[in-house]
Amino acid sequence: GQSLEQPSEVTAVEGAIVQINCTYQTSGFYGLSWYQQHDGGAPTFLSYNALDGLEETGRFSSFLSRSDSYGYLLLQELQMKDSASYFCAVRLYSSASKIIFGSGTRLSIRP
Amino acid sequence: NAGVTQTPKFQVLKTGQSMTLQCAQDMNHEYMSWYRQDPGMGLRLIHYSVGAGITDQGEVPNGYNVSRSTTEDFPLRLLSAAPSQTSVYFCASSPTGRGANVLTFGAGSRLTVL
Repeated sequence: GQSLEQPSEVTAVEGAIVQINCTYQTSGFYGLSWYQQHDGGAPTFLSYNALDGLEETGRFSSFLSRSDSYGYLLLQELQMKDSASYFCAVRLYSSASKIIFGSGTRLSIRP
Repeated sequence: NAGVTQTPKFQVLKTGQSMTLQCAQDMNHEYMSWYRQDPGMGLRLIHYSVGAGITDQGEVPNGYNVSRSTTEDFPLRLLSAAPSQTSVYFCASSPTGRGANVLTFGAGSRLTVL
Protein backbone atom coordinates (compact mmCIF):
# COMPACT_ATOMS: atom_id res chain seq x y z
CA GLY A 1 0.00 0.00 0.00
CA GLN A 2 0.90 3.66 -0.07
CA SER A 3 2.12 5.36 3.10
CA LEU A 4 3.95 8.46 4.26
CA GLU A 5 5.58 8.41 7.68
CA GLN A 6 6.32 11.46 9.82
CA PRO A 7 7.39 11.93 13.45
CA SER A 8 4.34 12.71 15.53
CA GLU A 9 5.91 15.57 17.52
CA VAL A 10 8.94 17.85 17.32
CA THR A 11 9.95 20.54 19.81
CA ALA A 12 12.32 23.43 19.03
CA VAL A 13 13.44 26.78 20.43
CA GLU A 14 12.45 30.16 19.02
CA GLY A 15 15.07 31.42 16.57
CA ALA A 16 16.48 27.95 15.92
CA ILE A 17 16.26 25.65 12.89
CA VAL A 18 14.13 22.49 12.76
CA GLN A 19 13.79 19.70 10.22
CA ILE A 20 10.62 17.64 9.79
CA ASN A 21 11.13 14.38 7.95
CA CYS A 22 8.82 12.42 5.67
CA THR A 23 9.64 8.91 4.50
CA TYR A 24 7.34 7.23 2.04
CA GLN A 25 6.38 4.00 0.38
CA THR A 26 4.50 4.65 -2.86
CA SER A 27 4.50 3.10 -6.29
CA GLY A 28 5.06 6.44 -8.00
CA PHE A 29 4.11 10.07 -7.55
CA TYR A 30 4.38 13.46 -9.21
CA GLY A 31 6.03 15.29 -6.34
CA LEU A 32 6.10 15.91 -2.59
CA SER A 33 4.09 18.75 -1.05
CA TRP A 34 4.03 20.25 2.43
CA TYR A 35 1.10 21.84 4.25
CA GLN A 36 0.79 23.77 7.51
CA GLN A 37 -2.21 23.60 9.81
CA HIS A 38 -2.76 25.73 12.91
CA ASP A 39 -5.04 24.42 15.65
CA GLY A 40 -8.66 24.81 14.62
CA GLY A 41 -7.76 25.87 11.11
CA ALA A 42 -7.55 24.36 7.66
CA PRO A 43 -4.35 23.09 6.04
CA THR A 44 -2.56 25.60 3.83
CA PHE A 45 -0.01 24.85 1.12
CA LEU A 46 3.66 25.61 1.91
CA SER A 47 5.90 24.10 -0.76
CA TYR A 48 6.27 21.52 -3.50
CA ASN A 49 9.19 19.46 -4.85
CA ALA A 50 8.66 17.98 -8.28
CA LEU A 51 12.33 17.06 -8.66
CA ASP A 52 15.05 15.90 -6.30
CA GLY A 53 16.81 18.68 -4.46
CA LEU A 54 16.10 21.73 -2.37
CA GLU A 55 13.33 24.29 -2.89
CA GLU A 56 13.51 27.50 -0.85
CA THR A 57 10.63 29.81 -0.01
CA GLY A 58 11.66 32.44 2.50
CA ARG A 59 12.32 30.84 5.91
CA PHE A 60 11.00 27.50 4.69
CA SER A 61 12.86 25.00 2.50
CA SER A 62 11.83 21.57 1.32
CA PHE A 63 13.95 18.71 0.07
CA LEU A 64 13.22 15.53 -1.88
CA SER A 65 15.34 12.45 -2.63
CA ARG A 66 13.45 9.88 -4.66
CA SER A 67 16.32 7.40 -4.49
CA ASP A 68 16.12 7.46 -0.67
CA SER A 69 12.27 7.66 -0.56
CA TYR A 70 12.70 10.63 1.73
CA GLY A 71 11.92 14.29 2.01
CA TYR A 72 12.01 16.98 4.65
CA LEU A 73 10.77 20.44 5.50
CA LEU A 74 13.32 22.82 7.01
CA LEU A 75 12.12 25.81 9.02
CA GLN A 76 14.68 28.49 9.87
CA GLU A 77 14.59 31.42 12.32
CA LEU A 78 11.67 29.81 14.10
CA GLN A 79 8.92 32.09 15.35
CA MET A 80 6.20 31.31 17.87
CA LYS A 81 3.63 31.54 15.06
CA ASP A 82 5.30 28.51 13.40
CA SER A 83 3.79 26.31 16.14
CA ALA A 84 1.44 24.16 14.08
CA SER A 85 1.06 20.74 12.49
CA TYR A 86 2.90 20.00 9.27
CA PHE A 87 1.87 17.39 6.71
CA CYS A 88 3.65 15.92 3.72
CA ALA A 89 1.55 14.78 0.76
CA VAL A 90 1.95 13.15 -2.65
CA ARG A 91 -0.17 12.99 -5.79
CA LEU A 92 -0.03 9.45 -7.07
CA TYR A 93 0.64 8.41 -10.67
CA SER A 94 -1.95 5.68 -10.35
CA SER A 95 -5.52 6.19 -9.16
CA ALA A 96 -6.23 9.23 -11.31
CA SER A 97 -4.26 11.85 -9.42
CA LYS A 98 -5.34 10.92 -5.91
CA ILE A 99 -3.54 13.00 -3.25
CA ILE A 100 -2.70 11.32 0.05
CA PHE A 101 -1.21 12.75 3.24
CA GLY A 102 1.15 11.69 5.97
CA SER A 103 -0.09 11.53 9.56
CA GLY A 104 1.41 14.90 10.40
CA THR A 105 4.03 16.35 12.75
CA ARG A 106 3.07 18.68 15.56
CA LEU A 107 5.75 21.35 15.99
CA SER A 108 5.94 23.05 19.39
CA ILE A 109 8.19 26.07 19.83
CA ARG A 110 9.61 27.16 23.19
CA PRO A 111 10.63 30.76 23.91
CA ASN B 1 -13.34 35.19 -4.55
CA ALA B 2 -14.66 32.83 -1.88
CA GLY B 3 -12.37 29.84 -2.63
CA VAL B 4 -13.73 26.61 -1.13
CA THR B 5 -16.90 26.94 0.94
CA GLN B 6 -18.12 24.19 3.26
CA THR B 7 -21.45 24.02 5.06
CA PRO B 8 -22.37 23.43 7.79
CA LYS B 9 -19.45 24.31 10.05
CA PHE B 10 -20.83 22.24 12.92
CA GLN B 11 -23.37 19.42 13.01
CA VAL B 12 -24.61 16.98 15.63
CA LEU B 13 -26.36 13.82 14.45
CA LYS B 14 -27.87 10.81 16.11
CA THR B 15 -26.77 7.33 15.11
CA GLY B 16 -28.59 6.23 11.97
CA GLN B 17 -29.43 9.69 10.70
CA SER B 18 -28.32 10.78 7.25
CA MET B 19 -26.99 14.13 6.14
CA THR B 20 -25.07 15.90 3.40
CA LEU B 21 -21.98 18.05 3.83
CA GLN B 22 -21.86 20.68 1.12
CA CYS B 23 -18.73 21.84 -0.69
CA ALA B 24 -18.55 24.50 -3.38
CA GLN B 25 -15.59 26.14 -5.08
CA ASP B 26 -15.52 29.16 -7.41
CA MET B 27 -12.02 28.69 -8.86
CA ASN B 28 -13.04 26.40 -11.75
CA HIS B 29 -10.93 23.61 -10.28
CA GLU B 30 -11.33 20.20 -11.89
CA TYR B 31 -10.06 18.17 -8.93
CA MET B 32 -12.11 18.04 -5.71
CA SER B 33 -11.76 15.79 -2.70
CA TRP B 34 -13.02 15.05 0.78
CA TYR B 35 -10.78 14.23 3.75
CA ARG B 36 -11.53 13.38 7.32
CA GLN B 37 -9.20 14.33 10.14
CA ASP B 38 -9.09 12.50 13.44
CA PRO B 39 -6.60 13.17 16.26
CA GLY B 40 -3.24 11.59 15.44
CA MET B 41 -4.49 10.20 12.12
CA GLY B 42 -3.66 13.00 9.75
CA LEU B 43 -5.86 13.61 6.71
CA ARG B 44 -7.44 10.52 5.22
CA LEU B 45 -8.93 10.64 1.75
CA ILE B 46 -12.61 9.63 1.56
CA HIS B 47 -13.60 10.28 -2.07
CA TYR B 48 -12.30 12.41 -4.88
CA SER B 49 -13.29 13.63 -8.34
CA VAL B 50 -11.26 14.72 -11.36
CA GLY B 51 -14.20 16.38 -13.09
CA ALA B 52 -17.97 16.58 -13.42
CA GLY B 53 -19.47 13.11 -13.65
CA ILE B 54 -16.31 11.36 -12.43
CA THR B 55 -15.79 10.18 -8.85
CA ASP B 56 -13.59 7.58 -7.21
CA GLN B 57 -12.93 6.08 -3.79
CA GLY B 58 -10.13 7.13 -1.53
CA GLU B 59 -8.62 5.42 1.50
CA VAL B 60 -11.71 5.35 3.75
CA PRO B 61 -14.86 5.44 1.54
CA ASN B 62 -17.20 3.14 3.51
CA GLY B 63 -20.32 4.84 4.79
CA TYR B 64 -20.01 7.84 2.44
CA ASN B 65 -21.33 8.69 -1.00
CA VAL B 66 -20.41 11.51 -3.37
CA SER B 67 -21.58 12.88 -6.68
CA ARG B 68 -20.21 15.55 -9.01
CA SER B 69 -22.92 16.93 -11.25
CA THR B 70 -21.18 20.30 -11.76
CA THR B 71 -17.58 21.52 -11.66
CA GLU B 72 -18.38 23.76 -8.68
CA ASP B 73 -20.10 21.36 -6.24
CA PHE B 74 -19.00 18.14 -4.56
CA PRO B 75 -21.37 17.09 -1.76
CA LEU B 76 -20.52 14.31 0.71
CA ARG B 77 -23.43 12.16 1.93
CA LEU B 78 -23.44 10.15 5.11
CA LEU B 79 -25.98 7.41 4.55
CA SER B 80 -26.50 6.18 8.13
CA ALA B 81 -24.31 8.03 10.61
CA ALA B 82 -22.24 6.06 13.12
CA PRO B 83 -20.20 7.32 16.12
CA SER B 84 -17.05 6.27 14.22
CA GLN B 85 -17.83 9.04 11.73
CA THR B 86 -17.36 11.71 14.37
CA SER B 87 -14.57 13.77 12.84
CA VAL B 88 -13.60 17.02 11.17
CA TYR B 89 -14.24 16.91 7.42
CA PHE B 90 -12.31 18.99 4.92
CA CYS B 91 -13.13 19.58 1.28
CA ALA B 92 -10.22 20.54 -0.98
CA SER B 93 -9.76 21.40 -4.64
CA SER B 94 -7.00 21.98 -7.14
CA PRO B 95 -6.65 22.78 -10.83
CA THR B 96 -5.27 20.26 -13.27
CA GLY B 97 -1.99 20.81 -15.03
CA ARG B 98 0.60 23.10 -13.52
CA GLY B 99 -1.12 23.79 -10.19
CA ALA B 100 -2.39 20.26 -9.65
CA ASN B 101 -0.26 19.68 -6.57
CA VAL B 102 -1.56 22.70 -4.65
CA LEU B 103 -4.75 21.92 -2.75
CA THR B 104 -6.99 24.72 -1.49
CA PHE B 105 -8.97 23.64 1.58
CA GLY B 106 -12.30 24.72 2.94
CA ALA B 107 -12.59 25.78 6.58
CA GLY B 108 -13.86 22.35 7.67
CA SER B 109 -17.06 20.82 9.01
CA ARG B 110 -17.02 19.40 12.52
CA LEU B 111 -19.41 16.46 12.82
CA THR B 112 -20.42 14.73 16.04
CA VAL B 113 -22.45 11.51 15.94
CA LEU B 114 -24.11 10.53 19.20
